[in-house]
Amino acid sequence: EVQLVESGGGLIQPGGSLRLSCAASGFTVSYSYMSWVRQAPGKGLEWVSIIYSGGNTYYADSVKGRFTISRDSSKNTVYLQMNSLRGEDTAVYYCVKTRDYSFEYWGQGTLVTVSS
Amino acid sequence: QTVVTQEPSFSVSPGGTVTLTCGLSSGSVSTTHYASWYQQTPGQAPRTLIYTTNTRSSGVPDRFSGSILGNKAALTITGAQSDDESDYYCVLHMGSGIWVFGGGTKLTVL
Repeated sequence: EVQLVESGGGLIQPGGSLRLSCAASGFTVSYSYMSWVRQAPGKGLEWVSIIYSGGNTYYADSVKGRFTISRDSSKNTVYLQMNSLRGEDTAVYYCVKTRDYSFEYWGQGTLVTVSS
Repeated sequence: QTVVTQEPSFSVSPGGTVTLTCGLSSGSVSTTHYASWYQQTPGQAPRTLIYTTNTRSSGVPDRFSGSILGNKAALTITGAQSDDESDYYCVLHMGSGIWVFGGGTKLTVL
């Protein structure tokens, strides 16, 4: 059974950094496409980033240059390093297993609040 | 900046049929955008309904169907039920690893 468990969210001041983790089970992260999708409070979904099985990474313009997606095969975990955080980054961040151009399996999300 | 458009809200009667659409601010949606659709209820993670335009995800009832209608992707719900009342999101693959979600449609069944 595929499971995705996000962690690392919390309250952070503007300009600060945070690293989100997504522990996966039931499949191998390094053989999969893995994405991060976020949802600001009361708002819609926003695609943030993806890492392909071959290691290529892509980012939404809103986070490019500030966020970095990576993975650790030994831990079967995906990360999202978030730097220079802004108020508009406040959101629930979902880790998503991506396949066949589909956001196939979603974690339950972790809340990031950027506020002073 | 590409914007993916969805109706902000829609209403359907129980048992009725509704078609939600997913368009582009500039240009037409085609199968090469690999449109997919997600259902979300408050406080829950999204659930995959349709991917690659018209493929139903495992366990999704066949009253949900996807298609291209004119220049938009479409999600049709046939025989709407009360528990279909949710937010529905589409997402398009824009190439070069980039995805863009629509703003979502709030569906009311009444």
